[in-house]
Amino acid sequence: ETGVTQSPTHLIKTRGQQVTLRCSSQSGHNTVSWYQQALGQGPQFIFQYYREEENGRGNFPPRFSGLQFPNYSSELNVNALELDDSALYLCASSSPNRLNTEAFFGQGTRLTVV
Amino acid sequence: AQSVTQPDIHITVSEGASLELRCNYSYGATPYLFWYVQSPGQGLQLLLKYFSGDTLVQGIKGFEAEFKRSQSSFNLRKPSVHWSDAAEYFCAVGVVTGGGNKLTFGTGTQLKVEL
Repeated sequence: ETGVTQSPTHLIKTRGQQVTLRCSSQSGHNTVSWYQQALGQGPQFIFQYYREEENGRGNFPPRFSGLQFPNYSSELNVNALELDDSALYLCASSSPNRLNTEAFFGQGTRLTVV
Repeated sequence: AQSVTQPDIHITVSEGASLELRCNYSYGATPYLFWYVQSPGQGLQLLLKYFSGDTLVQGIKGFEAEFKRSQSSFNLRKPSVHWSDAAEYFCAVGVVTGGGNKLTFGTGTQLKVEL
């Protein structure tokens, strides 16, 4: 058990809707990263938040946005959902205080867009 | 930009047999390398990591991996596979920035264990 919790575990949305996914980071970690894992693929980096600021972004359109709160929890928001957004969304927390930091993953949120 | 290639999409081994999962990476500097395992519908669990030093690293569940800079490889091995090892395995290269690791994953290798 990593201590990273995500909610909800499963979600079904209609194309065009908006969705918010939530992540609580592991105690002591101030960095949260989000990944999208399509069926049969490896996770792809969406973006990372460090001390409430976006700290790098992958190749995802602006309708993917996020927030990090003072307690270091985070939200991923996706607007104008498309069928291809159906995937497992993974949150990972880490601490940059050591050079050899590692990321701890939550169990993910399975999003289905119909 | 960094990339990871896992050439084997599926691998089937018999329980008790040895296992090697291949991983090749592309990265301009000294890489931070990871192997993760994912059971169906679950998140990712870290098996082992390489940052520097000894090129043979030991991980959990009896896994080990060897970093070979000349071959840009970081293959995962286990001397004797157990049925519970059936899962999907991901190799990743990490870029460490001021905010922590950003990981680039391979497409994964699905391991099936025959009893």
